[in-house]
Amino acid sequence: EDKVVQSPLSLVVHEGDTVTLNCSYEVTNFRSLLWYKQEKKAPTFLFMLTSSGIEKKSGRLSSILDKKELFSILNITATQTGDSAVYLCAGTGSSNTGKLIFGQGTTLQVKP
Amino acid sequence: SQTIHQWPATLVQPVGSPLSLECTVEGTSNPNLYWYRQAAGRGLQLLFYSVGIGQISSEVPQNLSASRPQDRQFILSSKKLLLSDSGFYLCAWRGGAMSYNSPLHFGNGTRLTVT
Repeated sequence: EDKVVQSPLSLVVHEGDTVTLNCSYEVTNFRSLLWYKQEKKAPTFLFMLTSSGIEKKSGRLSSILDKKELFSILNITATQTGDSAVYLCAGTGSSNTGKLIFGQGTTLQVKP
Repeated sequence: SQTIHQWPATLVQPVGSPLSLECTVEGTSNPNLYWYRQAAGRGLQLLFYSVGIGQISSEVPQNLSASRPQDRQFILSSKKLLLSDSGFYLCAWRGGAMSYNSPLHFGNGTRLTVT
């Protein structure tokens, strides 16, 4: 059965800290891994990773995929209170269903 | 550009009452459509998905059902709600063919409380 596991489940840091969120996956015919940020309502898309070792970066956020070890990390540098959210990781295979299998999420709280 | 509409935003329903949540997508054709549920403090659980009109696949056994009467319309229903149906329901879409190359796009969700 396909599964995605995130760690830690929750994290409390202070502004300016750097955080690393982890995501491991077991997905049949794996094609891509996606990261989302969820505040109050709908998750918003951050990154989609398909190739090993290629870092994707957007401002203070970056992410990388390791297809050999079946995991991904999401880094946030110089955290701000606005980074407080639930971060979701999801994997997808190559079937035409396009299903995403989500992890439990990591709840990040950034204190001033 | 593509947009996804989901309503209502919040809903409070008594146990045993029926449910109908609707989702529509604009600006794309033949999307894959999904219903996810998120319990408080948890990840997203896939409930149903559809790759075309009238084609519904269920991921988990439950008292909910889904229908896709039109290409860009996806409906989540129940004849009799249970307390355990409370949660945050998210509709989402993704490109049809080669959809694994595109991200999933979410509606704003419906927060359902069954009392």
